[in-house]
Amino acid sequence: IAGITQAPTSQILAAGRRMTLRCTQDMRHNAMYWYRQDLGLGLRLIHYSNTAGTTGKGEVPDGYSVSRANTDDFPLTLASAVPSQTSVYFCASSKTHGPDEQFFGPGTRLTVL
Amino acid sequence: GQNIDQPTEMTATEGAIVQINCTYQTSGFNGLFWYQQHAGEAPTFLSYNVLDGLEEKGRFSSFLSRSKGYSYLLLKELQMKDSASYLCAVRDSNYQLIWGAGTKLIIKP
Repeated sequence: IAGITQAPTSQILAAGRRMTLRCTQDMRHNAMYWYRQDLGLGLRLIHYSNTAGTTGKGEVPDGYSVSRANTDDFPLTLASAVPSQTSVYFCASSKTHGPDEQFFGPGTRLTVL
Repeated sequence: GQNIDQPTEMTATEGAIVQINCTYQTSGFNGLFWYQQHAGEAPTFLSYNVLDGLEEKGRFSSFLSRSKGYSYLLLKELQMKDSASYLCAVRDSNYQLIWGAGTKLIIKP
């Protein structure tokens, strides 16, 4: 692994189903983030984690949950998917939750029908 | 509310210079970032400004004026591979990144 990986690359999901998007980084970064990117809008922060064991809510957290059991992994769960959650999801990480640049994973394209 | 404004789309010619502007209104300021995003790919870091002035990095330069809530990204000697979206993001008082919708740059031969 080099950098950040996300899985799956893309997924089509029926409304009401539960889905977990996976994110793993090997840079030993303390901070990790989940964003969604929709056409015509900027990246919007869903949840973040400043360090392993802690999480926080971003701008659009409703319908999503996260956990940070260790430094490397930061999964995002949709408990009961709805069509408005159709989006491209990016996981990112940075050394600290401060002035450091964020590195992005390749993204997951999710379609909820 | 917090707001980042960038032009939606710009067109330029290969070999020319283009300036992409970004204005912001945020609750606090802890730095401004520019990222490049090719279609279907992840954003990648280009530059970071926290003090007023110009930061130069090869063909790319970024300028910041905190008093005016304004930044620009200057791309020189444009190449076809520079066709991409350019995202402006401001770190607010909570150290969260607030993102603009991005400027799609089209390079014509």
